[in-house]
Amino acid sequence: DIYMTQSPSSVSASVGDRVTITCRASQSIGAWLAWYLQRPGKAPQLLIYNAAALQRGVPSRFSGSGSETEFTLTISSLQPEDFGTYYCQQCNSFPLTFGGGTKVEI
Amino acid sequence: EVQLQESGGDLVQRGGSLGLSCAVSGLSFKIRNMNWVRQAPGKGLEWIAYISADSSTLHYADSVEGRFTISRDNGKNALYLQMSGLRDEDTGVYYCVVVGGGVALSFYYGMDVWGHGTTVTVSS
Repeated sequence: DIYMTQSPSSVSASVGDRVTITCRASQSIGAWLAWYLQRPGKAPQLLIYNAAALQRGVPSRFSGSGSETEFTLTISSLQPEDFGTYYCQQCNSFPLTFGGGTKVEI
Repeated sequence: EVQLQESGGDLVQRGGSLGLSCAVSGLSFKIRNMNWVRQAPGKGLEWIAYISADSSTLHYADSVEGRFTISRDNGKNALYLQMSGLRDEDTGVYYCVVVGGGVALSFYYGMDVWGHGTTVTVSS
């Protein structure tokens, strides 16, 4: 199985801040990585797929980068609706696995 | 508008069985691969089962292999999860999820549409 490790596990930030979250895979997954945001009490939503491709409807302040084993999600200017928990997920092979999550809070 | 509506979540005894359903509308269900993903209370996301569009390919997480069965009915636009031998650790919210990202339909591209979830509670 491929294990996904996110850091930090939580981050306190303010509106307008630049936030960066890192995700590491236990083995190479190429660019087969997705990022999700889960707002409190809601289902997750897809933000980024293929490591850097923005899902339709997702604001351009979100960006993804990386390949092989190290990946980054960046929010260029945090907005109130961006608070919640972010998850990375490897899409390379089954079993599909998620990182433990990064909680972004005020 | 794409809608996924899960149902069937309930309080069930340890060792018992339960069936979940997901009604899908607003997309061409018969060409979409599907997942079930669950989330234990206060915990992260766990993928548990995958079914291809034509039901020819199934995958399960080790934690549910042999106890859970994923299936679908393309004529009814419905996805199912039959669960047996339920354990305390099966408690959580179960999400029905469409596979794909952007215009791609493969599991390589993530999971782009999620239902609201249905809650399963396993108790002695």
